[in-house]
Amino acid sequence: DSGVTQTPKHLITATGQRVTLRCSPRSGDLSVYWYQQSLDQGLQFLIQYYNGEERAKGNILERFSAQQFPDLHSELNLSSLELGDSALYFCASSEQTGTTNNEQFFGPGTRLTVL
Amino acid sequence: DQQVKQNSPSLSVQEGRISILNCDYTNSMFDYFLWYKKYPAEGPTFLISISSIKDKNEDGRFTVFLNKSAKHLSLHIVPSQPGDSAVYFCAALRNYGGSQGNLIFGKGTKLSVKP
Repeated sequence: DSGVTQTPKHLITATGQRVTLRCSPRSGDLSVYWYQQSLDQGLQFLIQYYNGEERAKGNILERFSAQQFPDLHSELNLSSLELGDSALYFCASSEQTGTTNNEQFFGPGTRLTVL
Repeated sequence: DQQVKQNSPSLSVQEGRISILNCDYTNSMFDYFLWYKKYPAEGPTFLISISSIKDKNEDGRFTVFLNKSAKHLSLHIVPSQPGDSAVYFCAALRNYGGSQGNLIFGKGTKLSVKP
């Protein structure tokens, strides 16, 4: 158990809909990262938040947005969903500074299926 | 343009023998390289990392070798065990001014260790 929690575990929805994925980082971790893993693809970085502020953006679509709240949990909002958005979405957290191994701790993921 | 490449999608090894997983990268600015292991229906878990200033890091049965001139790293597992069967992701990271950047992942290599 990494200490990172993600809800829901599975999500099935229709095209055009909007969903929200939730992540709670490890206790004490200030940084939250979101990654997308599509079929046959590695994990693609979407966005990073540090202590409530956006720190870095990757290949995140304009239809997607995220935020990190004062209690450090984060939400990833996906709107106007398309079939191609079906994927595993992972959240990871890290201390941001002072980490020896620079590792990020991953949650179990949310599997999104768009029908 | 893929900055981190794992050219072997799968590898099959006999129990007790050595498993060698390879990874190539293109960006010479990466500071750290990490290996993650992923079981089905779980998030990736950190295995081992290496700083760009080192050429070898060892942790039990796992050793990572870095060849900066070739922009190549490899993960050796000796001896391989059936429980090592999983997908292994190579990842690279570039830190900015002491704060951690996002991970850039390869597409993974599925290792099967046969009893």
